[in-house]
Amino acid sequence: SQKIEQNSEALNIQEGKTATLTCNYTNYSPAYLQWYRQDPGRGPVFLLLIRENEKEKRKERLKVTFDTTLKQSLFHITASQPADSATYLCALERYSGGYQKVTFGTGTKLQVIP
Amino acid sequence: SQTIHQWPATLVQPVGSPLSLECTVEGTSNPNLYWYRQAAGRGLQLLFYSVGIGQISSEVPQNLSASRPQDRQFILSSKKLLLSDSGFYLCALGGDPKAQYFGPGTRLTVL
Repeated sequence: SQKIEQNSEALNIQEGKTATLTCNYTNYSPAYLQWYRQDPGRGPVFLLLIRENEKEKRKERLKVTFDTTLKQSLFHITASQPADSATYLCALERYSGGYQKVTFGTGTKLQVIP
Repeated sequence: SQTIHQWPATLVQPVGSPLSLECTVEGTSNPNLYWYRQAAGRGLQLLFYSVGIGQISSEVPQNLSASRPQDRQFILSSKKLLLSDSGFYLCALGGDPKAQYFGPGTRLTVL
């Protein structure tokens, strides 16, 4: 069956360091891989999208890599700040029956320590 | 710009009572709309999606139902709530680029 795995343990890092979160998937052939940020009690917020034929994508302090051979994406936050503390969700998108279907991982909680 | 409204924001209901959660969107027409549930400590579970008025597809068989009476309105319902229906219910809009844009959510507690 299709599966998306993110490290369920919280990741604690010092302010200013680079945070790296991992997303692994099996039995998928996604068209796109997406990353979202979710704060407590709020809906997820879309951050970045990377296509299956792209290796890397950047947006300000964020960087996403996508390795379709390893079936893995890495999400990096450089120069991390306490405001980056949140849960980060990986999601895979594919089209099924003419509509966009997105499946989410369970997320990794990031805590940036001042 | 697109805006998603959900209400109520929080809801406490007894087991066996009915449920109606509403989602409305602004700033777009003919959107693809989705209902997700997020149980405590768990991931987002897709419940229903809709590509147009009256068109509903269910992802998970359960005691919930959905309806889309208008282009920008999506309703989640139940005739009799179960304890396991507790969770955070999120309405989402399929957007461009190919992402999902979420509403503020409804926190449902079934007692």
